[in-house]
Amino acid sequence: QVQLQESGPGLVRPSETLSLTCTVSGGSIKNYYWTWIRQPPGKGLEWIGYIYYSGDTNYNPSLEGRVTISVDTSRNHFSLNLRSVTPADTATYFCARDKDGYSFLWDSWGQGILVTVSS
Amino acid sequence: DIQLTQSPSFMSASVGDRVIITCRASRGISSYLNWYQQKPGKAPKLLIYAASNLQTGVPSRFSGSGSGTDFTVTISSLQPEDFATYYCQQSYSNFLTFGQGTKVEMK
Repeated sequence: QVQLQESGPGLVRPSETLSLTCTVSGGSIKNYYWTWIRQPPGKGLEWIGYIYYSGDTNYNPSLEGRVTISVDTSRNHFSLNLRSVTPADTATYFCARDKDGYSFLWDSWGQGILVTVSS
Repeated sequence: DIQLTQSPSFMSASVGDRVIITCRASRGISSYLNWYQQKPGKAPKLLIYAASNLQTGVPSRFSGSGSGTDFTVTISSLQPEDFATYYCQQSYSNFLTFGQGTKVEMK
């Protein structure tokens, strides 16, 4: 059974770049879409973007220009970079795997990592 | 973008109750509607996909229906472990979106 684990700093300064990695174990990163989703404290879910193992990406238009998702198939992980962060980017960030490889719904999730943007 | 509006946003219910949550899309999305359950401090869990398909391992008391713009998830007999927040999500457009959530609390 595939497992996902987010990692990265829990505190980021305003105007800096938030960088997270999702490590995939128990399965290959190939042939799937991989997604980042976030949830501000006490609020709902927001899709950030996804990447196919080949490198094709699609981002939430509200974040486009600040977000980059990349994949490293040799290390079986994918990453999120969010530039010029503000306190509004404070959230729990989840990585997730597409259920069927291309259905854009998610049956495997990481546990989430809380990232706080504060000086 | 396609907006999803859930109703109600909050509900109080008792064990054994039949619970129905609605999700309305701002335009037609065929059957590309999925439901998740989230408990505090946990990642969401996929319950139903493509409007009416029960995810493997999900109890049969959960069911989903709808197409086009109007969808529902029904819990036939609410169990203690079902108190949680439920989200709908559309996978119709390239811009993936969620509903605002429905919190089901114990009455």
